[in-house]
Amino acid sequence: QQQVKQSPQSLIVQKGGIPIINCAYENTAFDYFPWYQQFPGKGPALLIAIRPDVSEKKEGRFTISFNKSAKQFSLHIMDSQPGDSATYFCAASPRGGADGLTFGKGTHLIIQP
Amino acid sequence: DGGITQSPKYLFRKEGQNVTLSCEQNLNHDAMYWYRQDPGQGLRLIYYSQIVNDFQKGDIAEGYSVSREKKESFPLTVTSAQKNPTAFYLCASSWVAGVEQYFGPGTRLTVT
Repeated sequence: QQQVKQSPQSLIVQKGGIPIINCAYENTAFDYFPWYQQFPGKGPALLIAIRPDVSEKKEGRFTISFNKSAKQFSLHIMDSQPGDSATYFCAASPRGGADGLTFGKGTHLIIQP
Repeated sequence: DGGITQSPKYLFRKEGQNVTLSCEQNLNHDAMYWYRQDPGQGLRLIYYSQIVNDFQKGDIAEGYSVSREKKESFPLTVTSAQKNPTAFYLCASSWVAGVEQYFGPGTRLTVT
């Protein structure tokens, strides 16, 4: 099993702050790196994804930074809001990705008002 | 409404009974997946299917079985051989393998 290591396990940030969640991987065949947001009792929702040909991707308040040489990628949430409080999962998949995504263990994020 | 539906939302079974979880999608996706989620464990792949009438074991397939007789349907059976079946089960689909996966709302199975 090729792992994706996610940190921190939990994170508390004040409203307006910038939470940062980090992931590291080992398998150099990984070619697709999505982030999912999950609210309690719901299925994960795709938030943003990146491929290794770019070092950064931004969608609204969410930004992925990607460091191919370090085999690391991170999620930044700008101007965080209490409604962003959720569990966030990073994942990775090799090119072709026939066997699904390999997920990190998740980060429980709380944005305090 | 396009999307993935899973039913039921909550399911209770006695130990020793087989139970089948439903997953249906109307997104015209070829690939479908089943994941299991436990607290603090992330999501782990049980089975996946790239095309009708074909499916492959994931990382934790023991005690589970699937079928893919129709493109839109990928039911999961939790058998009595699964030693710790209580979990949150998530179905996902994607247009083809290796691209964005979209998840259903999940089924919470409790076995006592």
